[in-house]
Amino acid sequence: DAMVIQNPRYQVTQFGKPVTLSCSQTLNHNVMYWYQQKSSQAPKLLFHYYDKDFNNEADTPDNFQSRRPNTSFCFLDIRSPGLGDAAMYLCATSRDRGPVFEQFFGPGTRLTVL
Amino acid sequence: AQSVSQHNHHVILSEAASLELGCNYSYGGTVNLFWYVQYPGQHLQLLLKYFSGDPLVKGIKGFEAEFIKSKFSFNLRKPSVQWSDTAEYFCAVNGGDSNYQLIWGAGTKLIIKP
Repeated sequence: DAMVIQNPRYQVTQFGKPVTLSCSQTLNHNVMYWYQQKSSQAPKLLFHYYDKDFNNEADTPDNFQSRRPNTSFCFLDIRSPGLGDAAMYLCATSRDRGPVFEQFFGPGTRLTVL
Repeated sequence: AQSVSQHNHHVILSEAASLELGCNYSYGGTVNLFWYVQYPGQHLQLLLKYFSGDPLVKGIKGFEAEFIKSKFSFNLRKPSVQWSDTAEYFCAVNGGDSNYQLIWGAGTKLIIKP
């Protein structure tokens, strides 16, 4: 089945130690999104790629970076994780950009910062 | 700025009870409206969506939602819930100044008692 895959499902890192979260998709979608979701809160969009075009949300901290080496893969890099970065990180894809295009979500990576 | 309010953070119902989850948004222009569901341990998935036309929208698994423009609402309903409906439900809105970003509510955790 075509899907959005996130690895790992659970990630533990130390305060200040860089960490990379991975997302891959078999849907061949143009757009890939990264969301941060804290407990009992709405998902918050960090950034998205429209093909190779990177689009950062205005309030996304500089600590968060992303790479999309090809259509299938997208990475979220947290350069110096703080305790406040502990959250669920969701990757999503859509065929194109715009409200008519459904976003398909991966299962998420739960990040713990010690 | 656009915002989405889901008034009930936790709802507990018995099987066969009727369900209505509230969603209100703040934006006066044309909007696209979504309900997503996240079953325990699974990824977010689209339950139903409204773009235009009949304001009563049917989704998967017997869910429906009604768009009431005058009330800025898009409430989710199901006449008779099942234990398998236990999940977290998110309302999301897209419109106005963004052609891709979904504005999310904080979610409602629904627990169905068998």
